[in-house]
Amino acid sequence: GESVGLHLPTLSVQEGDNSIINCAYSNSASDYFIWYKQESGKGPQFIIDIRSNMDKRQGQRVTVLLNKTVKHLSLQIAATQPGDSAVYFCAENEEGYSTLTFGKGTMLLVSP
Amino acid sequence: DAGVTQSPTHLIKTRGQQVTLRCSPKSGHDTVSWYQQALGQGPQFIFQYYEEEERQRGNFPDRFSGHQYPNYSSELNVNALLLGDSALYLCASSLSVLAGRDLAQYFGPGTRLTVL
Repeated sequence: GESVGLHLPTLSVQEGDNSIINCAYSNSASDYFIWYKQESGKGPQFIIDIRSNMDKRQGQRVTVLLNKTVKHLSLQIAATQPGDSAVYFCAENEEGYSTLTFGKGTMLLVSP
Repeated sequence: DAGVTQSPTHLIKTRGQQVTLRCSPKSGHDTVSWYQQALGQGPQFIFQYYEEEERQRGNFPDRFSGHQYPNYSSELNVNALLLGDSALYLCASSLSVLAGRDLAQYFGPGTRLTVL
């Protein structure tokens, strides 16, 4: 079946840098996307979401960009901090359904 | 505002046994979804409950069953446990799509199940 995947399994950055985590999806019927942060031993934490009628959405220090033409999603984290170190998942939702399909995740490592 | 809670935190069972995991949704939410997360993988959808009925189901055998109560809390039951059932089981709550509200799913801390 169609699924969501990530390009980079691990991303290492220095504290203060901006981070960009990428995600490709293949289900053209997906119309809603969420980014989650998961720290070791914890459940996924909601970061930001975006609907397919938008191409950009900003939160606190985070921005999600959606390119429907190439089915690509990215999460930008400004001024990355050591506390941002975690695994980041993108998840997609298909119109008419409430379930989420997750990719394998990207590990973000932030060095002080 | 209480978030999603799950119990127990950890559980150890042996092959062939049965297990029940519990979840209380975030205040105001009426829909509960269950996911299985193997080590190093993304969560995999098991099923979703709304109005005390299973509304959608992922690719999991009938050994996995669930229930939702009138107060929206939910249980996940797994029968005839296999070694491969060892995983983190996550519960997520949301507002029904039919309510025309937020699609976002909020996760609990999970239950770590180990099958020996």
